[in-house]
Amino acid sequence: DQQVKQNSPSLSVQEGRISILNCDYTNSMFDYFLWYKKYPAEGPTFLISISSIKDKNEDGRFTVFLNKSAKHLSLHIVPSQPGDSAVYFCAARETNSGGSNYKLTFGKGTLLTVNP
Amino acid sequence: KAGVTQTPRYLIKTRGQQVTLSCSPISGHRSVSWYQQTPGQGLQFLFEYFSETQRNKGNFPGRFSGRQFSNSRSEMNVSTLELGDSALYLCASSLAGPFQGYTFGSGTRLTVV
Repeated sequence: DQQVKQNSPSLSVQEGRISILNCDYTNSMFDYFLWYKKYPAEGPTFLISISSIKDKNEDGRFTVFLNKSAKHLSLHIVPSQPGDSAVYFCAARETNSGGSNYKLTFGKGTLLTVNP
Repeated sequence: KAGVTQTPRYLIKTRGQQVTLSCSPISGHRSVSWYQQTPGQGLQFLFEYFSETQRNKGNFPGRFSGRQFSNSRSEMNVSTLELGDSALYLCASSLAGPFQGYTFGSGTRLTVV
């Protein structure tokens, strides 16, 4: 059962336009959400995160929106640049009942291609 | 400061063999997590270690094991390799857990033939 879903395997946008990457989750115990970017032959790089008590977090060109009632989050990149072309992973953190052990559950990723 | 270092970068093994992968976390980081990435499956959580103790384990068979040393370096072992174990194995470290996310290494690409 996939608890974090990125339903779009790929997305193509023009340079300068907005890129919107979507992520849905099913586990109500997730309390923190993160986005990672991954280039080929490299490990994922942390991009931006959001706590479940917020609905928006912004960092430069990157903004993450969280809709808890819909169990949906999205990453907006404005304006998109060719260097943003990479695989983007959505991840969620669940606090277990003990409160001290954590793990991240990742989606399968979305390949973003920004065309010049 | 040095990032997360994984060795080796590439590995080719034969079915039935065993393999050990190594991960050196960022200095001061005590939490080390391992993930398996296969095409179309995203990152699958293997296990997490903190101060030499396994705190979390994913849904992988017992052929997958790991350990962490007192200097926080971690090793992952896969015994009786199967073709389906071919994947990119990623190690991530953090101070105490994925609070602000991890710092990932570049991974070890394991190919089982």
